[in-house]
Amino acid sequence: DGGITQSPKYLFRKEGQNVTLSCEQNLNHDAMYWYRQDPGQGLRLIYYSQIVNDFQKGDIAEGYSVSREKKESFPLTVTSAQKNPTAFYLCASSKETSNNEQFFGPGTRLTVL
Amino acid sequence: AQSVTQLDSQVPVFEEAPVELRCNYSSSVSVYLFWYVQYPNQGLQLLLKYLSGSTLVKGINGFEAEFNKSQTSFHLRKPSVHISDTAEYFCAVSRGRGGSYIPTFGRGTSLIVHP
Repeated sequence: DGGITQSPKYLFRKEGQNVTLSCEQNLNHDAMYWYRQDPGQGLRLIYYSQIVNDFQKGDIAEGYSVSREKKESFPLTVTSAQKNPTAFYLCASSKETSNNEQFFGPGTRLTVL
Repeated sequence: AQSVTQLDSQVPVFEEAPVELRCNYSSSVSVYLFWYVQYPNQGLQLLLKYLSGSTLVKGINGFEAEFNKSQTSFHLRKPSVHISDTAEYFCAVSRGRGGSYIPTFGRGTSLIVHP
């Protein structure tokens, strides 16, 4: 079955450590996205990528980094520069078409202690 | 720029009652509109979408939404809700021609269905 996988589902890290969240898709989608979700704030875009080896900052990119070396993979690194990293992180993908329906992974809940 | 406002952060309703979740958008260009549902600790899944054509759009799980261009609204409705409809619902807008294809999401509406 085609879909998006995110791992791990729960992640705990100590303050000051970098951590990388995995996102893989086998939908053959060109575009991939990372969102952060906090209670009552909806989804906020961190980074997106329309094509391999290219990515763009979203609304809240500070303290995060990404790479897109393969079409299927779009890992997100939460760095120690991110002031408040505890949140639910969602990865999504879409075909590069104008209707842009997104397909979401199950999410990773990151808790920084 | 485009924006989305979901007018209610929380909507409590009794089982088998009708429900409407409100969504208004602003955009200077034509839009595509989406409703997504999120169950606790899961990702989002698409309920329905409006791209063009008929303004009444039917989706999964008995939900429907009506695109109203003059009122810039895309309200979600269900005539009779079930306990299993308890979830967070997100409205999103992306472009038609000329606007940003990156979807903008509303803050979400929590639908709470009571027995």
